[in-house]
Amino acid sequence: EAGVTQSPTHLIKTRGQQATLRCSPISGHTSVYWYQQALGLGLQFLLWYDEGEERNRGNFPPRFSGRQFPNYSSELNVNALELEDSALYLCASSPVRGSDSPLHFGNGTRLTVT
Amino acid sequence: QKEVEQNSGPLSVPEGAIASLNCTYSDRGSQSFFWYRQYSGKSPELIMSIYSNGDKEDGRFTAQLNKASQYVSLLIRDSQPSDSATYLCAVNIGGNNRLAFGKGNQVVVIP
Repeated sequence: EAGVTQSPTHLIKTRGQQATLRCSPISGHTSVYWYQQALGLGLQFLLWYDEGEERNRGNFPPRFSGRQFPNYSSELNVNALELEDSALYLCASSPVRGSDSPLHFGNGTRLTVT
Repeated sequence: QKEVEQNSGPLSVPEGAIASLNCTYSDRGSQSFFWYRQYSGKSPELIMSIYSNGDKEDGRFTAQLNKASQYVSLLIRDSQPSDSATYLCAVNIGGNNRLAFGKGNQVVVIP
C-alpha cells in the first residue's frame, strides 16, 4: 500500500511569492490534514479537508488556504510568503472523518522563504 | 494552558535502560492518544495508540493512560541506539480527529 505522498520535496521561494504544495492520501483515505512544523515550534495544525470540504482550520492567517479534489488529493497554497513561513509542511491522511484512527504522515515539503 | 505539554528536556539513557516520557493534556473530553517517533529530518511515524485507561504494550513500548489525571506516558524498554529520536505526544482534540501535538522529547540512547 502506497503511503501519503507529497510534492515537491523542497521548495525555495522569495518573500511575497506564492507557494503550492501537493498531497496524495493513502488509497481509501478521505480526510487530509496539513500541519506546519517550524523550528522549535512543534507541529501546528493548519487545515483539515474531508470529502472536498474544509472541516477545520488552525490559527493561521487567510493567506494559508487549500482545497481537496474529488480524488481526495489536496493542495495547500500559501500566498504573500513571509520569512517565518519557512518550515516543514506535513500532510497526513486518515480513513474516516470523525474517527479516532491515527494520522499517517507523508514525508513533507520543506519550504524555504528567502 | 497548552493543549498538549511535554515538558522534559532531552533525555539521555544508556543502551539497555528504560526511557520514560510523559505528556499532559488539557481537554478532558479527549478519547484518543498517540505517540509518534520522528527522526531528524523525517516525518512522524506512529508507534503507539491508546484509548482506554491503563497500560498498552507493543514490543518494547508501553503506553500508559490516566484520563482522570490527564496524562499519558511512554516507556521504552531495553533502549537501543536506533530509538534515538524525538517522541511526539498527540491528543485528539474535540472529538473531530484534530490532533494536537506536544513539542516533543528528544531521546538519545548512548551505546
